[in-house]
Amino acid sequence: DTEVTQTPKHLVMGMTNKKSLKCEQHMGHRAMYWYKQKAKKPPELMFVYSYEKLSINESVPSRFSPECPNSSLLNLHLHALQPEDSALYLCASSFEQLGSEAFFGQGTRLTVV
Amino acid sequence: AQSVTQLGSHVSVSEGALVLLRCNYSSSVPPYLFWYVQYPNQGLQLLLKYTSAATLVKGINGFEAEFKKSETSFHLTKPSAHMSDAAEYFCVLVSNFGNEKLTFGTGTRLTIIP
Repeated sequence: DTEVTQTPKHLVMGMTNKKSLKCEQHMGHRAMYWYKQKAKKPPELMFVYSYEKLSINESVPSRFSPECPNSSLLNLHLHALQPEDSALYLCASSFEQLGSEAFFGQGTRLTVV
Repeated sequence: AQSVTQLGSHVSVSEGALVLLRCNYSSSVPPYLFWYVQYPNQGLQLLLKYTSAATLVKGINGFEAEFKKSETSFHLTKPSAHMSDAAEYFCVLVSNFGNEKLTFGTGTRLTIIP
């Protein structure tokens, strides 16, 4: 199994809603990532988990809250988002080995109304 | 500091013609380099990677790239373009400062002309 699975594929939410994005992998990867990608731009790193511990937070607003319940799962909890947060949210995972490639999920297309 | 520069945000080639997507990098330590492809509304898929074993790297879908240290380049090529190659392509660098820090180029959108 070489897949990173993200759910849902599409999400529309109001600015007062609370929702969660989910990501799952079964490749034994111990590093997991959240990226945000705006149209016609490269992905921007948001968070990195290494061995289920948050190792990088790229100054992301607190309305985004990551969680890593176990080595296979990664969540991104969303609350009180703004319309400018609309984007493609990508999850990725990799081995904790320098030079290992990151495997990306198909992404969640988020629209905030 | 490390960086990646992709020359040409848009490249158009005719079906059957040579594809050449340019990538130059800057790194103070030996880099690891990747090319990823992204189809519309999809995630990123690895095409190929350079990890210092061989300078000419072959990837999926007939793509290859050559690492040239003297030119600090890692250009992506394919001898004959196919309509299915139309996508966004990202050159990505990882240095030994930390595997978790991928440095992305700005991307090149490849259009194939029938």
